[in-house]
Amino acid sequence: QKEVEQDPGPLSVPEGAIVSLNCTYSNSAFQYFMWYRQYSRKGPELLMYTYSSGNKEDGRFTAQVDKSSKYISLFIRDSQPSDSATYLCAMSALTGANSKLTFGKGITLSVRP
Amino acid sequence: DAEITQSPRHKITETGRQVTLACHQTWNHNNMFWYRQDLGHGLRLIHYSYGVQDTNKGEVSDGYSVSRSNTEDLPLTLESAASSQTSVYFCASSASGANVLTFGAGSRLTVL
Repeated sequence: QKEVEQDPGPLSVPEGAIVSLNCTYSNSAFQYFMWYRQYSRKGPELLMYTYSSGNKEDGRFTAQVDKSSKYISLFIRDSQPSDSATYLCAMSALTGANSKLTFGKGITLSVRP
Repeated sequence: DAEITQSPRHKITETGRQVTLACHQTWNHNNMFWYRQDLGHGLRLIHYSYGVQDTNKGEVSDGYSVSRSNTEDLPLTLESAASSQTSVYFCASSASGANVLTFGAGSRLTVL
């Protein structure tokens, strides 16, 4: 079993839809959870960062962590064509030295106008 | 503005040739990483460095090497390029004590 599993997609939704992106993980030591967004032919960029369990909201984006279920989610409200990108979840057990991130494979989202 | 620059952005080479991909960052980050990204595999860690003269192998290091002679640069060398190394390569960096990565724009390598 891979440490981090992410729905493979791709996912296509109409503009204005609520999008839910999910990852599951097996390593109970993970405490730091991130979502990166990657536009076509660009490098990933940090979108959301959360520590431990709970929710974090930033504009139309909400990151949710459920450590008891080893499950993280990214919700996008009122999705826009500009949200069309690949979304990668990432997580680590530590910060600082030896804090290598483990990434999901990414899911490609397309928002149709 | 601080940035992380990769070069070349695109390269085509032949099997057996040595190839070096450059990575230069002006964030003054101690930690630097090289990943490759392939369809169906996501991002896989090749090599990483936590400071000058420090290098470590990642999960897919065979056929690759790095050296860290200063804070700003971590070049990735493919000693003898193979078709299996056709991929998009990303360099990333992070500050000491942090686990958030800043990525470069990527280098697309094709080995014929």
